[in-house]
Amino acid sequence: DTGVSQNPRHKITKRGQNVTFRCDPISEHNRLYWYRQTLGQGPEFLTYFQNEAQLEKSRLLSDRFSAERPKGSFSTLEIQRTEQGDSAMYLCASTSTSIRRGETQYFGPGTRLLVL
Amino acid sequence: GDSVTQMEGPVTLSEEAFLTINCTYTATGYPSLFWYVQYPGEGLQLLLKATKADDKGSNKGFEATYRKETTSFHLEKGSVQVSDSAVYFCALSPPNTDKLIFGTGTRLQVFP
Repeated sequence: DTGVSQNPRHKITKRGQNVTFRCDPISEHNRLYWYRQTLGQGPEFLTYFQNEAQLEKSRLLSDRFSAERPKGSFSTLEIQRTEQGDSAMYLCASTSTSIRRGETQYFGPGTRLLVL
Repeated sequence: GDSVTQMEGPVTLSEEAFLTINCTYTATGYPSLFWYVQYPGEGLQLLLKATKADDKGSNKGFEATYRKETTSFHLEKGSVQVSDSAVYFCALSPPNTDKLIFGTGTRLQVFP
């Protein structure tokens, strides 16, 4: 069973450093989503791709954040000049586009980021 | 904007007790509604969903009915087990996008 995978699972960095996370979706899924979850809160939407096109970005996604999905398969999320407020769990999810509403999103295990 | 409000936890129950976790939403149009569950040490996984008014989602003994008139999607289970201990998230997906908008989560603790 090849579910959604994310790497690394944990990342500790110093304030001001750049970090990059990777997400590998379920192979036949063409939509990929990034969310951020802080302690005691629900996940918050950041951005999503359909194939290689980035279709929506949340206002939470400051200009220090950039996401790519260059070949419509895996995706990367980069945070430049990290701040302590970036400490969170970063979740990736994938799904297939269909004419049906409410398609299930399948989540990866997340990357936990700690900025010191 | 669209939002989800769910009851704060933790909810603490004895095994075989009846469970209700309240969830209400604010949205334009007709969103799809979901309950996701996060077991200790595991990732988020879908528990059940409903895509139109009066639909009932069900799975593993859990049920929730999409109530348009009260903008609610309350989660219920008739008899909880210790293995149901987890954090439960109510979420909606607006009609014009598949992104999910989550509530803050409700922790359920079931004791034998």
